[in-house]
Amino acid sequence: GAVVSQHPSWVICKSGTSVKIECRSLDFQATTMFWYRQFPKQSLMLMATSNEGSKATYEQGVEKDKFLINHASLTLSTLTVTSAHPEDSSFYICSARTDRFNYGYTFGSGTRLTVV
Amino acid sequence: KQEVTQIPAALSVPEGENLVLNCSFTDSAIYNLQWFRQDPGKGLTSLLLIQSSQREQTSGRLNASLDKSSGRSTLYIAASQPGDSATYLCAVSWVDSSYKLIFGSGTRLLVRP
Repeated sequence: GAVVSQHPSWVICKSGTSVKIECRSLDFQATTMFWYRQFPKQSLMLMATSNEGSKATYEQGVEKDKFLINHASLTLSTLTVTSAHPEDSSFYICSARTDRFNYGYTFGSGTRLTVV
Repeated sequence: KQEVTQIPAALSVPEGENLVLNCSFTDSAIYNLQWFRQDPGKGLTSLLLIQSSQREQTSGRLNASLDKSSGRSTLYIAASQPGDSATYLCAVSWVDSSYKLIFGSGTRLLVRP
């Protein structure tokens, strides 16, 4: 139980285009999801907190107009990287907190984004 | 500022050794602490979750302890195996931070056959 499905697992896009990443909670409702970014050989950095039915809360230094987050339902949050640039290439991973897991956190499998 | 620190950054041990990974955090008012494993290019696998009211958790060869007063947690791995080679991440959520999970920089473990 408490599975988070993330798609796509990898994507290559051209500079200037937009890419959408989906994060779904399969067997539980997630009122809050979290989006992280991880550069090679570095740890996970929290980008934003996604709240169902309201605006996302972004961490300091994260451009909200570049990284659009939508949490339209209790089981789906999306991250759209707009006008992608090569420096946006990274590993993006989502997470949800659930009482199914004793209020621990369960993570998606991540999306490897490469912008060429 | 609430921060999580892990030492050592990297560790190489021969197979069979018992080892300890360290995690420290600022602000003892935590909600919970979670240890994860990450293989290269992969997502995260949850290993152990310790609630703020708990002192330790065990799963197989893994044991994690929590000392809130000193702001420390340790992950003990018994009888290490080459398959344990991975990056181990410690993450903490605090009561007053909207349950955001903040990660340490990780410990890269290599268990040599």
